[in-house]
Amino acid sequence: LAKTTQPISMDSYEGQEVNITCSHNNIATNDYITWYQQFPSQGPRFIIQGYKTKVTNEVASLFIPADRKSSTLSLPRVSLSDTAVYYCLVGSDRGSTLGRLYFGRGTQLTVWP
Amino acid sequence: EAGVAQSPRYKIIEKRQSVAFWCNPISGHATLYWYQQILGQGPKLLIQFQNNGVVDDSQLPKDRFSAERLKGVDSTLKIQPAKLEDSAVYLCASSLRDRNQFFGPGTRLTVL
Repeated sequence: LAKTTQPISMDSYEGQEVNITCSHNNIATNDYITWYQQFPSQGPRFIIQGYKTKVTNEVASLFIPADRKSSTLSLPRVSLSDTAVYYCLVGSDRGSTLGRLYFGRGTQLTVWP
Repeated sequence: EAGVAQSPRYKIIEKRQSVAFWCNPISGHATLYWYQQILGQGPKLLIQFQNNGVVDDSQLPKDRFSAERLKGVDSTLKIQPAKLEDSAVYLCASSLRDRNQFFGPGTRLTVL
C-alpha cells in the first residue's frame, strides 16, 4: 500500500522558492511519483511526474533520491496564484492495487504578498 | 483539446433520494475514474474503468453506489439511496495511461 506523507500546510512569500517533501516508504519498483495541484472548486491538475533523479518542466522541478522513498516538489519564485493544495501520489500503470491511487490530504500552500 | 465534462455542477437532494452524475472523458482516453472528495480531504478513488471494464471498485460502497461506462466512453455514477455522509464533490478524471489524469470540474452534491 503505497501511501504518502506530506506536511499539512506551508507558508511562503512571493518570489521565494518553495520545496514540498513527500515520504513514500513503501514505493514499489514500478511506481512513478506524480504531483497534482488543486485550487478551490476545481479538480486537481497534473504538475509533474518522475521515476528517479530529477525532472524539470516549465512550472516545477521534482527531485527523487536514489532510494526513492521520498521526493521533493520545487516551485521556483512562487506567486499568489500558486496558493493551492498540492498532492503527491505514487502509482503504476501496470494494473490496479488497493490504494494505489491515494491522494492523501495534500499540502496547503499559502503564498503571502 | 476539450477537457473532461461533468454534469450537473451542483445538486441538492434529500436523504434517501437518488441522484446520478454524468461524465464525458477526453476523446481517446481509455481509462476513466470517479473520485469522491469530502471537504478538507483529498480525493478518494471510487471506481476505475479501463474502456468499459472495471479495473478497481474496491472502495465503492456497492450497496448504494453504482457506476457504468457503456461503450467505453461516457460514464454515469449513481447513488441510491443517498445518505447525509454522501455530501461531497464527485470528480471524474480520464487518462491515456493512469499516471497522468485529467480531471473535470466536479459535481458538488449536498444531501439534506
